Amino acid sequence: QKEVEQDPGPLSVPEGAIVSLNCTYSNSAFQYFMWYRQYSRKGPELLMYTYSSGNKEDGRFTAQVDKSSKYISLFIRDSQPSDSATYLCAMSGQGGSEKLVFGKGTKLTVNP
Amino acid sequence: DAGITQSPRHKVTETGTPVTLRCHQTENHRYMYWYRQDPGHGLRLIHYSYGVKDTDKGEVSDGYSVSRSKTEDFLLTLESATSSQTSVYFCAISSGETQYFGPGTRLLVL
Repeated sequence: QKEVEQDPGPLSVPEGAIVSLNCTYSNSAFQYFMWYRQYSRKGPELLMYTYSSGNKEDGRFTAQVDKSSKYISLFIRDSQPSDSATYLCAMSGQGGSEKLVFGKGTKLTVNP
Repeated sequence: DAGITQSPRHKVTETGTPVTLRCHQTENHRYMYWYRQDPGHGLRLIHYSYGVKDTDKGEVSDGYSVSRSKTEDFLLTLESATSSQTSVYFCAISSGETQYFGPGTRLLVL
């Protein structure tokens, strides 16, 4: 079993839809959870960062962590064509100085 | 962009030649990382550094070496490039609890 599993998609939704992106993981030591957004031919850009369990909201984006299920989610409300990108989940046990473990990414397309 | 630049941004080289990629940061971060990104594999850690002259291997370090003689610069060297090293290479720095990435270098080994 890989440490982090992420459905690669691709995922295609109409503009305005609610998008749900997910990752599962196997290492119970993970405490720091991140979502990165990567536009085509660009570097990954940190979108959301969460420590331990719970929810975090930033504008149209909500990150959820369920440590009991080893499951993390990113929700995008009122999705826009500009949200079209690949979304990568990442996690670590001790924060940024420790090596991050990445999912392979989900490619999202939001159609106007 | 967390003050990270990478050079060159694009490079085409031939099998067997040495190649050096440079990562430069302007914010004095201690930790720096080199990743490669390939379809079907995602981001994989090659090497990382936790200070000047302090480096360690990641999960895909074979065929790569690194050096860090100054805080701001982290160099990745392919001693003898192979076609399997065709990839997009990203440098990252650690700031607080997470990492920030540079714009990437696209390397094609013919």
